[in-house]
Amino acid sequence: SQTIHQWPATLVQPVGSPLSLECTVEGTSNPNLYWYRQAAGRGLQLLFYSVGIGQISSEVPQNLSASRPQDRQFILSSKKLLLSDSGFYLCAWILRGSNVLTFGAGSRLTVL
Amino acid sequence: GNSVTQMEGPVTLSEEAFLTINCTYTATGYPSLFWYVQYPGEGLQLLLKATKADDKGSNKGFEATYRKETTSFHLEKGSVQVSDSAVYFCALSAPNSGNTPLVFGKGTRLSVIA
Repeated sequence: SQTIHQWPATLVQPVGSPLSLECTVEGTSNPNLYWYRQAAGRGLQLLFYSVGIGQISSEVPQNLSASRPQDRQFILSSKKLLLSDSGFYLCAWILRGSNVLTFGAGSRLTVL
Repeated sequence: GNSVTQMEGPVTLSEEAFLTINCTYTATGYPSLFWYVQYPGEGLQLLLKATKADDKGSNKGFEATYRKETTSFHLEKGSVQVSDSAVYFCALSAPNSGNTPLVFGKGTRLSVIA
């Protein structure tokens, strides 16, 4: 069966520090991968998506970047965090030809 | 463009009350419609879906019917429990949307009190 893992689950970082959130998918090949952010009291904002290794599309300009070094690995990064980067980050995947999006458990980032 | 509008929350109900969370959509063509649920501190889980007009999705006592004439997909449950407390998201997947996945509503927080 397919599963999706995100880590770390919780992270507290000072302003200006770097960030790396990791997401891996098991039990499937060549999925589309997505990073969403959920700010407190708000809906979901699509940040990045990837249709293959090394292929990244950005939906909004921001302080973050994404990379896909392997087929089932998707990484969200920042060189210098801002207070406004605080939020709940969700990784998700979808099989080609399907329209059902499956989410990871999320990573909560607090920037102080 | 494609969009989803769902009722503002929060919604607070007593246990065993009837629940309705309204959702309307705007889309070209014939989208698929979804309800996702997010329990506290967790990611989103697919609750139910419908792929064509008049389809009824159902799961865990929740139901929603795809109404093309009113462009709606309202979520209902006859008797809510405390364990149903969560944020509920309505979403659509438009045909020919390419690699951009679902369009989500802003979510409705439901609190059920004993």
